[in-house]
Amino acid sequence: SQTIHQWPATLVQPVGSPLSLECTVEGTSNPNLYWYRQAAGRGLQLLFYSVGIGQISSEVPQNLSASRPQDRQFILSSKKLLLSDSGFYLCAWYPGGPYEQYFGPGTRLTVT
Amino acid sequence: AQSVAQPEDQVNVAEGNPLTVKCTYSVSGNPYLFWYVQYPNRGLQFLLKYITGDNLVKGSYGFEAEFNKSQTSFHLKKPSALVSDSALYFCAVRDGGDNFNKFYFGSGTKLNVKP
Repeated sequence: SQTIHQWPATLVQPVGSPLSLECTVEGTSNPNLYWYRQAAGRGLQLLFYSVGIGQISSEVPQNLSASRPQDRQFILSSKKLLLSDSGFYLCAWYPGGPYEQYFGPGTRLTVT
Repeated sequence: AQSVAQPEDQVNVAEGNPLTVKCTYSVSGNPYLFWYVQYPNRGLQFLLKYITGDNLVKGSYGFEAEFNKSQTSFHLKKPSALVSDSALYFCAVRDGGDNFNKFYFGSGTKLNVKP
């Protein structure tokens, strides 16, 4: 069966520091991968999605970036965090076709 | 443009009563519609989906949803609410146009079930 992992689970970082969040999927190949941010426990904001290695679509211009160095690995990065980057970051994967997205457990990021 | 609307920020219902969480959508092409539930500090869990076929879809934990094409709605329902159903619920639609790998989510509805 397929499993999606995210780490770290929680992170507290000062303003201006770098960020790296990692998402990996097991048990499938060539998944579509997504990064969402959820602020204040409400709506999801799509940040990036990827349909294959090296293929990244950015939805929101900001100080975040994403990379997909391997088929089942998706990384969210920042060179300098802002206070507004605080939130709950969710990774998801989608096999394509008439199926749903599958979400990871999330990373709680607090920028101080 | 594709979009999903959940008009209620919060729904309050007494345990044992029926519940409805509303969702309307706008999408080109045939819609793929989804409901997810989120508990605090957790990822989203899939409840049910409509792809094609019967307009009444049954899902996990006794939830069901009715697809109404003329009203472009996909309301989530449960005949008898439980306190444990209290959570944040999201409706989502897959892009029915050229970008069929993209999903659109509603703003979420917080369901409070009181004992």
